[in-house]
Amino acid sequence: AQSVAQPEDQVNVAEGNPLTVKCTYSVSGNPYLFWYVQYPNRGLQFLLKYITGDNLVKGSYGFEAEFNKSQTSFHLKKPSALVSDSALYFCAVREMNTGFQKLVFGTGTRLLVSP
Amino acid sequence: DAGITQSPRHKVTETGTPVTLRCHQTENHRYMYWYRQDPGHGLRLIHYSYGVKDTDKGEVSDGYSVSRSKTEDFLLTLESATSSQTSVYFCAIRGQETQNTEAFFGQGTRLTVV
Repeated sequence: AQSVAQPEDQVNVAEGNPLTVKCTYSVSGNPYLFWYVQYPNRGLQFLLKYITGDNLVKGSYGFEAEFNKSQTSFHLKKPSALVSDSALYFCAVREMNTGFQKLVFGTGTRLLVSP
Repeated sequence: DAGITQSPRHKVTETGTPVTLRCHQTENHRYMYWYRQDPGHGLRLIHYSYGVKDTDKGEVSDGYSVSRSKTEDFLLTLESATSSQTSVYFCAIRGQETQNTEAFFGQGTRLTVV
């Protein structure tokens, strides 16, 4: 079965510093990987996805993620954090070539960027 | 936001009463999903639909039923609400047949069962 692990409940970073939010996954086939962000009292917003091709994927708001097949990881990164990046981040995986497009989410990581 | 509307946005109900949440989309997307969000659990899939009258169970379907009589509407029903169903419920939609498209989420419905 598909699964996603986000090992950190919270990540704290100072504004202007680089940030990393970790995600590892488990699937039996090749994965489609996604990052979503949730601001307070809002739904989830799509940030970026990995389907195939370059291991470094660029997305919205200056975020990027690096796919590492050998480590089964898809960490979210940003070179310089902003206070406005503070939110809840979810990693999700969907397995290729399955009969149904089930999207499985991690438990979320709260990012807190301090001024 | 994509054309997804969830109603109601907030609801307080008593244990044992039936509750129906509605998800309405204007995108004509094929796939629709209901998730619940709880602290420490992330988002968990309750039910999903892959077409009109085509639905199936997700990982936490007990106590819930769904219906999809039209492409644009996906209803989630709690037949007899329990306190454990207090949660935030999200509807999501996805349009394409290929697997590489992302899902879009509604604003959520906060349900409190007292």
